[in-house]
Amino acid sequence: DADVTQTPRNRITKTGKRIMLECSQTKGHDRMYWYRQDPGLGLRLIYYSFDVKDINKGEISDGYSVSRQAQAKFSLSLESAIPNQTALYFCATSSGKRTLEQYFGPGTRLTVT
Amino acid sequence: AQTVTQSQPEMSVQEAETVTLSCTYDTSENNYYLFWYKQPPSRQMILVIRQEAYKQQNATENRFSVNFQKAAKSFSLKISDSQLGDTAMYFCAFTRGNTPLVFGKGTRLSVIA
Repeated sequence: DADVTQTPRNRITKTGKRIMLECSQTKGHDRMYWYRQDPGLGLRLIYYSFDVKDINKGEISDGYSVSRQAQAKFSLSLESAIPNQTALYFCATSSGKRTLEQYFGPGTRLTVT
Repeated sequence: AQTVTQSQPEMSVQEAETVTLSCTYDTSENNYYLFWYKQPPSRQMILVIRQEAYKQQNATENRFSVNFQKAAKSFSLKISDSQLGDTAMYFCAFTRGNTPLVFGKGTRLSVIA
């Protein structure tokens, strides 16, 4: 089983709809992240959380909100989806200890029409 | 703020040849960590190699090696004996350790048979 899972894997929604993307991990990591990937722009940080009671905005948090329900779960919400939020969304985790690399989920392809 | 620059949006290489992908970064920190991630068409983000800034020795993982030039703030990735499976987007990333990864915009590498 994958260590970092994301649901759904693909989603098409309409402008103005509320949508939630979910992320779960079995790695036991404290730190979790949400990134957005657009062609030619790389990965940009939306929100991150270093523990259950810690939530921080990233570079592009406007139009998004998050919830850290447990150490293993970190959800991203689009309160009112707009077409320019069409992108590939990644959840990632890291331990915050020695090696620091991030482990990524498989991504969610979101299309807002 | 830290920035990561990948100056080559696209590159190609013949199978079995060697290719080098460039990455530069900007930071005033002395201790930090650098990574190369690979994203094949499956869109999964895969860690290729990591480098700790306090280590002078360049990291190596099988056919992948880095040329880390701390004074020049340069972190290039060399792929030897290129294989068709190396075709992917490659992202350079930076962290101070207590911050999320900052990614470059990526280099699309095509390995040609």
